Amino acid sequence: AQSVTQPDIHITVSEGASLELRCNYSYGATPYLFWYVQSPGQGLQLLLKYFSGDTLVQGIKGFEAEFKRSQSSFNLRKPSVHWSDAAEYFCAVGGGGNNNDMRFGAGTRLTVKP
Amino acid sequence: DTGVSQDPRHKITKRGQNVTFRCDPISEHNRLYWYRQTLGQGPEFLTYFQNEAQLEKSRLLSDRFSAERPKGSFSTLEIQRTEQGDSAMYLCASSRMGEQYFGPGTRLTVT
Repeated sequence: AQSVTQPDIHITVSEGASLELRCNYSYGATPYLFWYVQSPGQGLQLLLKYFSGDTLVQGIKGFEAEFKRSQSSFNLRKPSVHWSDAAEYFCAVGGGGNNNDMRFGAGTRLTVKP
Repeated sequence: DTGVSQDPRHKITKRGQNVTFRCDPISEHNRLYWYRQTLGQGPEFLTYFQNEAQLEKSRLLSDRFSAERPKGSFSTLEIQRTEQGDSAMYLCASSRMGEQYFGPGTRLTVT
């Protein structure tokens, strides 16, 4: 069965510092991988996705993620964090052309210090 | 494209009452999903529709839960005889080709 682990429950970074959020997945076939961001009381917004091809994917708001099959990881990065990036970040794995059986990690809460 | 909308945004109900939530997907999306999210957790899949057909239901979806998408457009999720454990954020998402787009959610509080 597919699953996602986000090892860090809460991360605090200073504004302007770099960020890396970890995501490890378990999936028997080629995974579809996603990062979503959720602000308090809001729904989830898609940051980026990986289906195939180039393992370094660019997303919105200056985020990128790298798919590493050998490590079963899909870590999210941003070179310089802004105060508005404070939110909850969810990694998700899905599979197949329908992507119906998507599974989410428990999330990482990002706090940005001024 | 106005995005996925959900109504109501918040619902407070007494235990034992029935509640119904509505989701309007992005217009050209043929797939619609319902998720439940509790505090400190990621969304958990409940059920999904392709057009008007409900094709998959999670074991989380007890007999008290029912979902419909009668004309392949909007969907409703009904919870009968609510329990305190039903308190959660109920998220709807729609898709056409793979990535799912989420609505703002309905926060249910059962007192």
